[in-house]
Amino acid sequence: DVKVTQSSRYLVKRTGEKVFLECVQDMDHENMFWYRQDPGLGLRLIYFSYDVKMKEKGDIPEGYSVSREKKERFSLILESASTNQTSMYLCASSPLGGGKTQYFGPGTRLLVL
Amino acid sequence: DAKTTQPPSMDCAEGRAANLPCNHSTISGNEYVYWYRQIHSQGPQYIIHGLKNNETNEMASLIITEDRKSSTLILPHATLRDTAVYYCIVRAEGGSYIPTFGRGTSLIVHP
Repeated sequence: DVKVTQSSRYLVKRTGEKVFLECVQDMDHENMFWYRQDPGLGLRLIYFSYDVKMKEKGDIPEGYSVSREKKERFSLILESASTNQTSMYLCASSPLGGGKTQYFGPGTRLLVL
Repeated sequence: DAKTTQPPSMDCAEGRAANLPCNHSTISGNEYVYWYRQIHSQGPQYIIHGLKNNETNEMASLIITEDRKSSTLILPHATLRDTAVYYCIVRAEGGSYIPTFGRGTSLIVHP
């Protein structure tokens, strides 16, 4: 069974803190993605990676960075958390190439106070 | 990727078929139609996808019109647990295309 796991289901942080969200997949997928989801806005792509150490900006990369040191792990970093980064964060992975099925993690609900 | 249009919400009685439409009039020949759903507070879940033939799996059936400009996801016997937001997206095979999720259809299955 395919599996994408995220380090936390719920997280509460303070403004200005550095926040790490971890995502691990066990399917040997090349592509990994970070989205955020807010009411009325659907899923918006933050960053994606198609290989180790490779990353590409998505639609809303500002205020975020990512790290892909190992194929199975894709980290999202909020360098200095702000209240407008309160959101649901979803990680996904898919095999190499476009048009492939994505598999999503359970999501991390982040609250920044 | 081609844009899709879905109704924002639908409802269905438990045990009845739920038919969720999607328009994708600008779809290209190499683009697949994918359906995902997202149950509240969970990540999206893949349901089914197809190119031009109708498809069926243990979760649902996908009916694609002959001109491929629209499709319908059918949940043959909806249950309360099928209450979710359903996303229809079109994606091309090959390359590094990034799927775009719209706002989907919020399906409510009522007793």
